[in-house]
This record gives sequence, C-alpha cells and structure tokens, in this order.
Amino acid sequence: GESVGLHLPTLSVQEGDNSIINCAYSNSASDYFIWYKQESGKGPQFIIDIRSNMDKRQGQRVTVLLNKTVKHLSLQIAATQPGDSAVYFCAERFTGGGNKLTFGTGTQLKVEL
Amino acid sequence: DTGVSQDPRHKITKRGQNVTFRCDPISEHNRLYWYRQTLGQGPEFLTYFQNEAQLEKSRLLSDRFSAERPKGSFSTLEIQRTEQGDSAMYLCASSMTGGGYGYTFGSGTRLTVV
Repeated sequence: GESVGLHLPTLSVQEGDNSIINCAYSNSASDYFIWYKQESGKGPQFIIDIRSNMDKRQGQRVTVLLNKTVKHLSLQIAATQPGDSAVYFCAERFTGGGNKLTFGTGTQLKVEL
Repeated sequence: DTGVSQDPRHKITKRGQNVTFRCDPISEHNRLYWYRQTLGQGPEFLTYFQNEAQLEKSRLLSDRFSAERPKGSFSTLEIQRTEQGDSAMYLCASSMTGGGYGYTFGSGTRLTVV
C-alpha cells in the first residue's frame, strides 16, 4: 500500500474472529517475505516467513498466503486475541538485493472485546 | 542472552549536536543491521555488517551518518550535526548466516532533535 503518513490503514476485529491483513509487494524479483508485528514502543517482532517457491505456510494461529501472480501477501490470524493488537508489517527481500529487507506501510490491527 | 539491546532508549538533542547510539546484538549472530523508522512508516534500511565488515550502505545514509562494528560484536551509529529531519526511531537487528533472512530487532532508540 501507499504511505499515508500517520494514518495507518486500520483493521478492527472482534475478539475470537479471524483477521486477514493484506500486503501488496513491489518487486517481482523478491524471493523471501516476512510478517512482523510491532507493538507500541517496541521493535518489530518476527511472526512468520515464506519463500517465493511456496504459496502457503502455517504457524501457530497464523497463516501466510503468497500470490506471486498479483504480487500479494496476506497474513491470517485465527481466533484473534487482544494481545494481537499491534501494527503489522510485511517485508520482502529482493533476489540479489543483499540481506536487507524492504518494509511496506503497516496495518494497525485493533481487537475489540 | 536476552536479545538485541539498544542504548539509550530515548535521546533528545539540540540541532547541530552529535549523537551516538549503541547496539549489542545476540551474541552468536554475525550479521547486524541498522534501520530507521519514522512515525507511521515501516523501517528503512540504513546499513549492514557481517562480522566487522560494513557490506552495504543505503543512499539514505548521508555523510553525517557513520556506523562501526569494530570487533564484530557491538555496533555504534553516530549522527553528526543533527537536523530535525533525523528525528526517528533507530532500530538495530541481528541475524546469523544460514539462519534465513528474518532478523531479531531491538527495541530501538527514539531520537528527537529540537
């Protein structure tokens, strides 16, 4: 998504519902993707990753889906909990881009009780 | 080892002053990264070390910025002649060769230039 400065895209969900956070990545040559969670005042925390030769990967309560045709990545969180409230970032690594990651603009997830 | 440590957590400085931040990575990690994050944005890559060698620098890293990792362990990031546009969160991360590309981030140093 495009940068919107302070106004992050926001997703509000009810506790216990499933959440889906989307990300459009920029480079068709990217070979590795990561989702990070960032709580206020803290650094980003690794959630799950996926390589470009996969289209789905599951972790504990989280699933990442990769659609290379449309350069789209999504993070699904099952049974969303209040502790999941945070900003979520997708990041990509370009093939031949060294070890740096390029982050997208985050999505604010708010879990309502 | 409790993760990546950054010091200080917060720094307020006057425009024109020099500041230095420190990062202690996870001890067995040989790779260290510096990123900058402004409010509402994702982190932006600044520079990367493998052991003591600085292997990559972003064009964002002007000549006022310098980073070192003298013994391949901790790293420092210095900003000279700070400007208001330098106000941001400076994040350090580390990883291990062969450990994939996911890093472990520290909690960052919040810099405010007044």
